[in-house]
Amino acid sequence: GAGVSQTPSNKVTEKGKYVELRCDPISGHTALYWYRQSLGQGPEFLIYFQGTGAADDSGLPNDRFFAVRPEGSVSTLKIQRTERGDSAVYLCASSSGPTRGDEQFFGPGTRLTVL
Amino acid sequence: AQSVTQPDIHITVSEGASLELRCNYSYGATPYLFWYVQSPGQGLQLLLKYFSGDTLVQGIKGFEAEFKRSQSSFNLRKPSVHWSDAAEYFCAVGTGGGNKLTFGTGTQLKVEL
Repeated sequence: GAGVSQTPSNKVTEKGKYVELRCDPISGHTALYWYRQSLGQGPEFLIYFQGTGAADDSGLPNDRFFAVRPEGSVSTLKIQRTERGDSAVYLCASSSGPTRGDEQFFGPGTRLTVL
Repeated sequence: AQSVTQPDIHITVSEGASLELRCNYSYGATPYLFWYVQSPGQGLQLLLKYFSGDTLVQGIKGFEAEFKRSQSSFNLRKPSVHWSDAAEYFCAVGTGGGNKLTFGTGTQLKVEL
């Protein structure tokens, strides 16, 4: 079956603009995760959804970042008033459940560049 | 707080040689440990994971890893490296109520033919 997909694959924006990044998880996966990977670093946890609700948003760096998953499937990561420091690859992952043993399947990421 | 250290940023090995990538973790409870591989343009792929039981775990593509609690380590090994193994490798620890992953900074593997 299809894996996790993310759109767009690349996004270039100007400082101060608003952007939305989309994630389509594997069908039937109830858990969805967002990570951010800066150059030369490992992925950094942002937020985790179980179903429609955000179960853990402790990784969101500030209130400019927000994510939704209104129907428990597709998720959108929203960044307001983008800053150059937001430039990174944003990764989405999904798993069949929320337990620590469930494998997370990652998408190819969205590369965000803020000029 | 949990953390993962991968002390080697870059490693170069010859094809056919053995490989060991180091990973040390810091976590107060029993860790759930993972190794992922990331190839250019590809998403992260799980190689193997450890939760409990046998401390030597086997993964895909001929990789294995050994959990050593006394050393807080989870090193990845492969007896004979293939050119297609060239990629970046990440060690991670799973924490939190869900499967929240904390990653190391990665080790870039280059394979010389």
